Amino acid sequence: GQQVMQIPQYQHVQEGEDFTTYCNSSTTLSNIQWYKQRPGGHPVFLIQLVKSGEVKKQKRLTFQFGEAKKNSSLHITATQTTDVGTYFCAVYAGNNRKLIWGLGTSLGVNP
Amino acid sequence: KAGVTQTPRYLIKTRGQQVTLSCSPISGHRSVSWYQQTPGQGLQFLFEYFSETQRNKGNFPGRFSGRQFSNSRSEMNVSTLELGDSALYLCASSLGGIHFNEQFFGPGTRLTVL
Repeated sequence: GQQVMQIPQYQHVQEGEDFTTYCNSSTTLSNIQWYKQRPGGHPVFLIQLVKSGEVKKQKRLTFQFGEAKKNSSLHITATQTTDVGTYFCAVYAGNNRKLIWGLGTSLGVNP
Repeated sequence: KAGVTQTPRYLIKTRGQQVTLSCSPISGHRSVSWYQQTPGQGLQFLFEYFSETQRNKGNFPGRFSGRQFSNSRSEMNVSTLELGDSALYLCASSLGGIHFNEQFFGPGTRLTVL
């Protein structure tokens, strides 16, 4: 069945450094969603991408959907301690619109 | 608009017991999904209910079951609890129609099995 591979699994950065997490699939995706889960919290929706080559920005966060719609990235510029958490990608697959989740990238930020 | 609510927030059970968790979705949402989350294991999908019917199912044993009521509220039941069932159980609601809707998560129920 549909799978999405998310890399890296963990990353620690110094505050102010940039951070990127990637979500990859072997098959063409119809869409991709990104969520953030703070430590002790629950996942919160960040954004959805549906168009080939789409780029969306939210302040210091930049989301991209690959031209072939097989991969996506989330880039954070100049990380802050408030960026700490786990970032998940998720895609809808199949006729029943099952949501398939990546394993997440856990981001730590050293002040 | 009120968010997704889950009850109880914390639960301690012993092996062999059964447990029922409840989830109230956002008003107007017809889809409710359940997830199990353990440290380092990401979000493990249990099942999704849409308009009182199970629409999607994950790879969990039959001890895990659920249902959805006409008001879209959902319950999840785990029978014959095992130590490995200790986890955070999250439910998420969405509009659930033909579009790629975002999921709204509740705060979760922390289940500890002793």
